Amino acid sequence: AQSVTQLGSHVSVSEGALVLLRCNYSSSVPPYLFWYVQYPNQGLQLLLKYTSAATLVKGINGFEAEFKKSETSFHLTKPSAHMSDAAEYFCAVSAYPNFNKFYFGSGTKLNVKP
Amino acid sequence: GAGVSQSPRYKVTKRGQDVALRCDPISGHVSLYWYRQALGQGPEFLTYFNYEAQQDKSGLPNDRFSAERPEGSISTLTIQRTEQRDSAMYRCASSLESSGDYEQFFGPGTRLTVL
Repeated sequence: AQSVTQLGSHVSVSEGALVLLRCNYSSSVPPYLFWYVQYPNQGLQLLLKYTSAATLVKGINGFEAEFKKSETSFHLTKPSAHMSDAAEYFCAVSAYPNFNKFYFGSGTKLNVKP
Repeated sequence: GAGVSQSPRYKVTKRGQDVALRCDPISGHVSLYWYRQALGQGPEFLTYFNYEAQQDKSGLPNDRFSAERPEGSISTLTIQRTEQRDSAMYRCASSLESSGDYEQFFGPGTRLTVL
């Protein structure tokens, strides 16, 4: 089975600062990796995904993530935080033979200070 | 809108009662998924369907939980004889196809509280 660890349940950054949200995964086979964002009272929205193509993946709202097999990591970054980025972020993994069975991390709440 | 909808949005019930949670996926989406999300945790897979066929129910916690999608569209998750530990957010998602290449679109969830 697969699993995901998100280090830091809460991250606080200043507006304009770098955003770095950490995700490490465990999988015995090549994984698919995802980042989702959740705003209050809304469903999860896909930010970006890695499905074995380019290791640097660009997503919506200026976010990107890099798949590093040697480090079993898929950290999410954004060069400059906006107030609107304040939300909860979830990393998820899936793998063969059940690519559509997602295993989510416990989430990281991002706070952006003015 | 054209997104995934779930009803009710909030459900409060007494221990021992049965509840039915409804999910209306995006029109034309083949696959439908149910997740449970406890407070402070990420979503936990429960089950999923391709069309009307339940493909994987390995995440259902016990036999009090069941799900159906009889016509390959709307799905119902039923919890019988509810217990306080069943309190959680129940989320539904749908995708165009049943591959990880296809985005899962999530609904707003049903917040279940068992007293």
